[in-house]
Amino acid sequence: QVQLQESGPGLVKPSQTLSLTCSVSGGSISSNTYYWNWIRQPAGKGLEWIGRIYTGGSTHHNPSLKSRVTISLDASKSQFSLKLSSVTAADTAVYFCVRSSGWSDAFDIWGQGTMVTVSS
Amino acid sequence: DIQMTQSPSSLSASVGDRVTITCRASQSISSYLNWYQQKPGKAPNLLIYAASSLQSGVPSRFSGSGSGTDFTLTISSLQPEDFATYYCQQSYSTPITFGQGTRLEIK
Repeated sequence: QVQLQESGPGLVKPSQTLSLTCSVSGGSISSNTYYWNWIRQPAGKGLEWIGRIYTGGSTHHNPSLKSRVTISLDASKSQFSLKLSSVTAADTAVYFCVRSSGWSDAFDIWGQGTMVTVSS
Repeated sequence: DIQMTQSPSSLSASVGDRVTITCRASQSISSYLNWYQQKPGKAPNLLIYAASSLQSGVPSRFSGSGSGTDFTLTISSLQPEDFATYYCQQSYSTPITFGQGTRLEIK
């Protein structure tokens, strides 16, 4: 059974870079059937898709985050990562790593989420 | 970006009620529509994919319908564990976008 687990600092200073890693267990991250995504949710608010990476390395990200997002994948470690630069308080949220699959790109496997606070 | 609008934003209902939540897309998205349930402090859980396909392990009281711009999620007979927030999501084009959520509360 595939499981995802986020890890990274829970507190980031304004203007710095938020870095999170998602570890994938119980299945292959190298399968060409899936996208690996990052989604965030500010407290009490809705879900925002940040971006995704495909096994072959192609990425897509939300233009609302401009060019601040970098998503990478390390198949040898069965991990994928998120870097979000120049953070502000508006980036404070629970961050989820998520697998999507099928032609409808449904988010079928979620990590438990990790809270990241941007504050000095 | 494709805007997803859910209605209602909140809903009060009783155990045993039949409930319908609507999701409208700002342009046609064919059947690229998925539904999720989220309980407080937890990650969302996939209920319905491709507008009408029931995810494995999800009770059959959940169903989805629609195509193009208008979609519905129906719970045929509410159970206590169904009180949660529900989100629709389109994957027709990036950026992938979600509805604002529908909070289902106990009456």
